[in-house]
Amino acid sequence: KNQVEQSPQSLIILEGKNCTLQCNYTVSPFSNLRWYKQDTGRGPVSLTIMTFSENTKSNGRYTATLDADTKQSSLHITASQLSDSASYICVVSPSNTNAGKSTFGDGTTLTVKP
Amino acid sequence: DAGITQSPRHKVTETGTPVTLRCHQTENHRYMYWYRQDPGHGLRLIHYSYGVKDTDKGEVSDGYSVSRSKTEDFLLTLESATSSQTSVYFCAIKQQGPYGYTFGSGTRLTVV
Repeated sequence: KNQVEQSPQSLIILEGKNCTLQCNYTVSPFSNLRWYKQDTGRGPVSLTIMTFSENTKSNGRYTATLDADTKQSSLHITASQLSDSASYICVVSPSNTNAGKSTFGDGTTLTVKP
Repeated sequence: DAGITQSPRHKVTETGTPVTLRCHQTENHRYMYWYRQDPGHGLRLIHYSYGVKDTDKGEVSDGYSVSRSKTEDFLLTLESATSSQTSVYFCAIKQQGPYGYTFGSGTRLTVV
């Protein structure tokens, strides 16, 4: 069974600090991995998407890494801001599908405090 | 969210009544999805569509039906709402290929 596990479940950091969120998956065969940010009361918004051949991708203060061998990904947030408080969701899609077979992690809830 | 709208945004209904949620897109994407999100479960796929009148079940499809008579509209129907269907429902669209999903703003449904 395809699974995506995210850790930690929740995290509290002080404004200005860095943090790293983890995503481990067992989806096979692998096509791509995406990180989404979901603000309270809103739909998820895409941050990054990585395919098998990519191991790092940045979007401003967000940097995602992918190790396809160990099936692990991380999302690093630099110099956190209050607006980074949100849930971060890892989504993994298998190859050869464009339909609804992506596997979603349960998310990491990040709280940034002043 | 740009290109995708859900209606209604909030709804309270009684147990046993039918409920229809609407998802409308202006992007002309082939793929449309309905998810529900509950505390401790993340996003779970209910049904999805890969074209007009082409739909398939997701992992939590029991008690739900869908219809897609036009490219731009994807309807989710709860035939007889139950309290276990109280949730936040998200619609999503996706381009063909390794692209991300675009989600709507969600519909908060409460079944009393």
